Amino acid sequence: EVQLVESGGGLVHPGGSLRLSCAASGFTFSGYAMNWVRQAPGKGLEWDSGISGSGGSTYYADSVKGRFTISRDNAKNTLYLQMNSLRAEDTAVYYCAKGPIWSAGKYMDVWGKGTTVIVSS
Amino acid sequence: EIVMTQSPATLSVSPGERATLSCRASQSVSSNLAWYQQKPGQAPRLLIYDASTRATGIPARFSGSGSGTEFTLTISSLQSEDFAVYYCQHYNNWPPYTFGQGTKLEIK
Repeated sequence: EVQLVESGGGLVHPGGSLRLSCAASGFTFSGYAMNWVRQAPGKGLEWDSGISGSGGSTYYADSVKGRFTISRDNAKNTLYLQMNSLRAEDTAVYYCAKGPIWSAGKYMDVWGKGTTVIVSS
Repeated sequence: EIVMTQSPATLSVSPGERATLSCRASQSVSSNLAWYQQKPGQAPRLLIYDASTRATGIPARFSGSGSGTEFTLTISSLQSEDFAVYYCQHYNNWPPYTFGQGTKLEIK
């Protein structure tokens, strides 16, 4: 069974940092692009970042460019999101989502349950 | 950035009836459009991709149509488990991916 399990969320002060992880299982992790998508409380979905299967290509929304870094360790079947300079508006549930092919730029066919990030003083 | 607009914001339909949800793109996205279902407290689930292809395990009562800037998700006979929020998302000329604001499908 394909499974994605996020972790690393929590309460952080404005300006602080957090690293999210997403453990993948049930598929050949290196063969698929991966993404991070957020959902603020009571709001819709917002794509933050994507990465190709090899990790060689990364993509960011303007709202997080320069603050967030997506990466992956294909040997550990794990996706990461390093979040720096966090702001109150980054408060959200963060979902890890798998793409259907190696290259990024498609839909997202499997989603994790999410991890909650709260940015507050 | 391509803006996706969904209508209506809320749709009230009785079980067994047909529901039609709309999604409009601010510029053509060809057929590079997906639909997702999200129930309270759950992650989104892929329903439709490439505008009209059902994802694995999705019942045949869900169908998608359209291309260019106008898209429709139709649920032919609503079941109790279909009441949820539905999002469209384009993947043309990205990044960024953008989602619509969602349509809440509620029981009438």
